[in-house]
Amino acid sequence: NAGVTQTPKFQVLKTGQSMTLQCAQDMNHEYMSWYRQDPGMGLRLIHYSVGAGITDQGEVPNGYNVSRSTTEDFPLRLLSAAPSQTSVYFCASSIQDRETQYFGPGTRLLVL
Amino acid sequence: AQKVTQAQTEISVVEKEDVTLDCVYETRDTTYYLFWYKQPPSGELVFLIRRNSFDEQNEISGRYSWNFQKSTSSFNFTITASQVVDSAVYFCALSSYGGSQGNLIFGKGTKLSVKP
Repeated sequence: NAGVTQTPKFQVLKTGQSMTLQCAQDMNHEYMSWYRQDPGMGLRLIHYSVGAGITDQGEVPNGYNVSRSTTEDFPLRLLSAAPSQTSVYFCASSIQDRETQYFGPGTRLLVL
Repeated sequence: AQKVTQAQTEISVVEKEDVTLDCVYETRDTTYYLFWYKQPPSGELVFLIRRNSFDEQNEISGRYSWNFQKSTSSFNFTITASQVVDSAVYFCALSSYGGSQGNLIFGKGTKLSVKP
């Protein structure tokens, strides 16, 4: 099992550009989520999904979009990148909600 | 409101010392889960432990132990005989049924430096 994989590992964007952060898991987990980690802030939930076709907003959803067409994949879209979105993004998955979440290696995003 | 407080921002110890990382949580729910994650310098998040609110039994795993006390809303983590490889940022997190489904509320983390 590869577990939770994320691509790319590092990305530089210019303000206003859009991009998609990829997340995939091969553990047949129903629950997937996206967090962002900022210095001194811990991790904060952006969006989550309890199963294919179902998504919902977390604590900091503005500027991000998600969809879940398959159990395995949960991409995060930045619609128009802003410097405030400079962060490290982590994808996580668990068998179902409330269970232990396992995290991907993270994507470091720099928005200039 | 749900909240996790890790009051210790940074801790520095010498190898072989014991160290305790504090975690205090707030929730009005009676059913909740507490977690500890480790983030080494390489950046990934490694799951360490999950406890539910009905199980106050302390847990020991090798050099790691956890003390869960509902009376003080604390879930502290102790590393015995610390090693350089224990150097990392440690996060305490809370998940409760009153919050968003599965949402982990993280503390801000404690950076542990273990010096040889």
